[in-house]
Amino acid sequence: QSALTQPASVSGSPGQSITISCTGTSSDVGAYNYVSWYQHHPGKAPKLMIYYVSNRPSGVSHRFSGSKSGNTASLTISGLQAEDEADYFCTSYTSSSAPSFGGGTKLTVL
Amino acid sequence: QVQLQESGPRLVKPSETLSLTCTVSHGSISSYYWSWVRQPPGKGLEWIGYVYYSGSTNYNPSLKSRVTISLDTSKNQFSLKLSSVTAADTAVYYCATFWSLLNTFDIWGQGTMVTVSS
Repeated sequence: QSALTQPASVSGSPGQSITISCTGTSSDVGAYNYVSWYQHHPGKAPKLMIYYVSNRPSGVSHRFSGSKSGNTASLTISGLQAEDEADYFCTSYTSSSAPSFGGGTKLTVL
Repeated sequence: QVQLQESGPRLVKPSETLSLTCTVSHGSISSYYWSWVRQPPGKGLEWIGYVYYSGSTNYNPSLKSRVTISLDTSKNQFSLKLSSVTAADTAVYYCATFWSLLNTFDIWGQGTMVTVSS
């Protein structure tokens, strides 16, 4: 069982927007802004999409955005494209100094 | 951009030591934090630990007694050793850079599946 809770799956049609949640506690997501999101196509290297809650690394599409409210962080993908179909997982710094991970969410583009 | 590639035995016997190497290309290992993360089948990811280019380390407390992460600057590689393995250590093992300032893993390898079985 992962420390951070994510929905197992989400889906959307091309052009739509979807949001993936990442729920933690007051000892991780709620306490720090060190929340990151990753895109993972199976068999490939995971790719950092969002860091520090809402910051995009160079080269990541503006269609990806992040936010946080209380103990829950969220990743929103707007203008869904077929290439966005992948697994997405979150991480957070914790009060124990060990990073924790979400269980991952499978995004299906219908 | 830095690229990472894991290598090592895919099958390890119970009670033996799992050994993996991560080769760093297009960048120097003499900077950054270098980390290992794993994902057992059907489960979430788990941070194993990291080594700083100075050689200092930090490990997940749940694995600390069995883990060693070290650098080989001459080969631009870092390695993971996990002793006394059991079936519970069967997982995909990833190496990754750790951006300590922002507590994020910014570059990852593709991962390598290691099975613990006799």
